[in-house]
Amino acid sequence: QKEVEQDPGPLSVPEGAIVSLNCTYSNSAFQYFMWYRQYSRKGPELLMYTYSSGNKEDGRFTAQVDKSSKYISLFIRDSQPSDSATYLCAMSGSGGYQKVTFGTGTKLQVIP
Amino acid sequence: EAGVTQFPSHSVIEKGQTVTLRCDPISGHDNLYWYRRVMGKEIKFLLHFVKESKQDESGMPNNRFLAERTGGTYSTLKVQPAELEDSGVYFCASSQVATVPYEQYFGPGTRLTVT
Repeated sequence: QKEVEQDPGPLSVPEGAIVSLNCTYSNSAFQYFMWYRQYSRKGPELLMYTYSSGNKEDGRFTAQVDKSSKYISLFIRDSQPSDSATYLCAMSGSGGYQKVTFGTGTKLQVIP
Repeated sequence: EAGVTQFPSHSVIEKGQTVTLRCDPISGHDNLYWYRRVMGKEIKFLLHFVKESKQDESGMPNNRFLAERTGGTYSTLKVQPAELEDSGVYFCASSQVATVPYEQYFGPGTRLTVT
């Protein structure tokens, strides 16, 4: 079983829709939860991160972590065509150096 | 400030040949990481340098892969001899602080195709 599971999509939504992206994980030692956005032929770019549980909001983006369910989400409000990209969840433990474990990524297309 | 750069952007080689990938981290970043994404799979950690020393090379798939970081600046990843399953995108990342995982900055990747 993979440590991090993410639906690869693709996910296609109309412009203005609310997008929900999710990952589940099995390693209870994970404390850092990151979301990256990756455009075609580019490297992953950090969107948001959360430490431990809770919610975090940044503009149109909201990240949620539910450690009891080992489930994390990224919500995109008022989606725009420029949001079309692959979204990767990633996780890491805390305390000293910890490796980052990625999900497979969800490909999102926002249709004008 | 320049980001992480990788060279080449794309390499096509035949099975059995040797390929060397290069990564130039952000200036001042002591930590340098190599990752790989094979088709349809997740990005996976390969190894981590702190300056010129290998902190963690647990993700290196086998001894056909050799990473170096002479002088603690740029790094090279050599694959010798290349096999078909080595095809994928190789990412490099760098950071100032290794204990903060969200502060790794990624390069654009090198797409390796082994035929």
